[in-house]
Amino acid sequence: AQKITQTQPGMFVQEKEAVTLDCTYDTSDPSYGLFWYKQPSSGEMIFLIYQGSYDQQNATEGRYSLNFQKARKSANLVISASQLGDSAMYFCAMREGQGGKLIFGQGTELSVKP
Amino acid sequence: NAGVTQTPKFRILKIGQSMTLQCTQDMNHNYMYWYRQDPGMGLKLIYYSVGAGITDKGEVPNGYNVSRSTTEDFPLRLELAAPSQTSVYFCASSAYGGVRNNSPLHFGNGTRLTVT
Repeated sequence: AQKITQTQPGMFVQEKEAVTLDCTYDTSDPSYGLFWYKQPSSGEMIFLIYQGSYDQQNATEGRYSLNFQKARKSANLVISASQLGDSAMYFCAMREGQGGKLIFGQGTELSVKP
Repeated sequence: NAGVTQTPKFRILKIGQSMTLQCTQDMNHNYMYWYRQDPGMGLKLIYYSVGAGITDKGEVPNGYNVSRSTTEDFPLRLELAAPSQTSVYFCASSAYGGVRNNSPLHFGNGTRLTVT
């Protein structure tokens, strides 16, 4: 069973508008962490934001915020005021179990239109 | 501070050949990982290590081997390369491995491998 599901293979957004990238996850462990990474066309993996399962507030990092709905097992990434440089693949990942390893979703390709 | 360094950046192998993908990090991280990323897909864990001398299998370990003799280095060995191993390989490291820890994985820039 897929543990991380990103249902939007591709999305378009107009420059300066906000966009939400969906992520749902599946775990029976009460302790877990959720991460979002950005992968531009150049290929590197860039860490964006983290949300812990016990965090009381939604995480924010600059223009990035997480809409964390624990009961629904969703951790959607919100990018405000989109910029052309935001065009990239975005991956949701979950850390569970020992060893610190992350399980990744299949990604969403975001295209920002001028 | 170079972070995570992977070599080579690109490689073409013939079926049946072997090679080692090198990975080194200068952040003194105990936790290291190897992932592969097939076109249009997410990353899948091949092997990981929680410290020197300790390695464990991930989701897709078949056809690969690893070793961790030092904190800094975590090479990935491909034996008898097959076309199914054509992929981009990422090495990563992390300072901590606890489930509730917010320490992210720091990734290298990847190795693009083609097996023909």
